[in-house]
Amino acid sequence: GENVEQHPSTLSVQEGDSAVIKCTYSDSASNYFPWYKQELGKRPQLIIDIRSNVGEKKDQRIAVTLNKTAKHFSLHITETQPEDSAVYFCAASKTGGSYIPTFGRGTSLIVHP
Amino acid sequence: SAVISQKPSRDICQRGTSLTIQCQVDSQVTMMFWYRQQPGQSLTLIATANQGSEATYESGFVIDKFPISRPNLTFSTLTVSNMSPEDSSIYLCSVVPGPLLGEQYFGPGTRLTVT
Repeated sequence: GENVEQHPSTLSVQEGDSAVIKCTYSDSASNYFPWYKQELGKRPQLIIDIRSNVGEKKDQRIAVTLNKTAKHFSLHITETQPEDSAVYFCAASKTGGSYIPTFGRGTSLIVHP
Repeated sequence: SAVISQKPSRDICQRGTSLTIQCQVDSQVTMMFWYRQQPGQSLTLIATANQGSEATYESGFVIDKFPISRPNLTFSTLTVSNMSPEDSSIYLCSVVPGPLLGEQYFGPGTRLTVT
């Protein structure tokens, strides 16, 4: 089955700095890679995703890149703000009838004002 | 997207008892899942709730302990049976409205404490 590794487990940055979280996956058939943000006491929320036919996707201060050959994808947050502090999860899956996502272990991002 | 509600939001239960968690979605969805999340941990898939048939359980989870019902495309229940303190966790319902797209949405969760 799919295996997703996520690093780092904790990331501490100063407000205004950039943050990068990296994930690797094992199943070359995976074609959908979402990122979720989970604030303390809240549910995970989808913030951005990328599909295997795209190398990069941006949405304001966040971007995701995908390297299919190396089987890794990354989340980039620029100009971090204290409200970006949360746990971020990556996931990998194959879309379709047998859709079962595999989640990374999560990264706790702390943005210091 | 999908709007998901869960009941109860939290509960404190005695060991040996059972709790049924309800999940309601505002639209018909093909795929519905139940997850468990221990404090500070990732999301662990318990099972896929299948409409009109038995749920599909992941390794380490069994129907006798976590019976699941899914009578229609908008509703599901998860029962945590014969509870022990190790069952204390957050239980999350999740849906994928369009499996070909893959976008996944989560309910607010049920925080269960077993004493």
